[in-house]
Amino acid sequence: KQEVTQIPAALSVPEGENLVLNCSFTDSAIYNLQWFRQDPGKGLTSLLLIQSSQREQTSGRLNASLDKSSGRSTLYIAASQPGDSATYLCAVPALYGGSQGNLIFGKGTKLSVKP
Amino acid sequence: KAGVTQTPRYLIKTRGQQVTLSCSPISGHRSVSWYQQTPGQGLQFLFEYFSETQRNKGNFPGRFSGRQFSNSRSEMNVSTLELGDSALYLCASSSDAREKLFFGSGTQLSVL
Repeated sequence: KQEVTQIPAALSVPEGENLVLNCSFTDSAIYNLQWFRQDPGKGLTSLLLIQSSQREQTSGRLNASLDKSSGRSTLYIAASQPGDSATYLCAVPALYGGSQGNLIFGKGTKLSVKP
Repeated sequence: KAGVTQTPRYLIKTRGQQVTLSCSPISGHRSVSWYQQTPGQGLQFLFEYFSETQRNKGNFPGRFSGRQFSNSRSEMNVSTLELGDSALYLCASSSDAREKLFFGSGTQLSVL
């Protein structure tokens, strides 16, 4: 059964710092991995989708990498800003009967960026 | 292009009642999924519909059901509500398998 773990559960950094969020999954037979952002009481915003054939995806100050063989993904945020404060979640499709609509989520990393 | 729209935004119900939540996907998206989010369990998959057919189902009791209409709009129903059903219910849509999943703002359900 696929399990997704995110470490750390919470992170507090000063503005301007570069930071890395970690995501690990137990079964490497995935075809993609998606990173989301969630603001309190709101829905999820898709940040990056990495296909299994890719190793990295970039969007602005965000860079996500995927290493299927080791079961890991990282989300790198450059020059963090207070507006980046949110919970970041990673998710992979369920292995059996799985489609993009059926994702397994980690519990998230709650990021706080202090001015 | 409008995003995923969920209604209502908030609901308060009492134990034993039933509730129906609505979701309108992004135009052109045929897949609609539903998730339950609680502080303890995080995000858990409920079910997915594609072209009016349930394609996948999570490990939830039969009190949780859904359907999808020909215009891809979806509804989720919970019967005989329990206190533990209090959660944020999120709907998501995608154009097809292996594409990005886009979420709505959710319906916050409180069961008293």
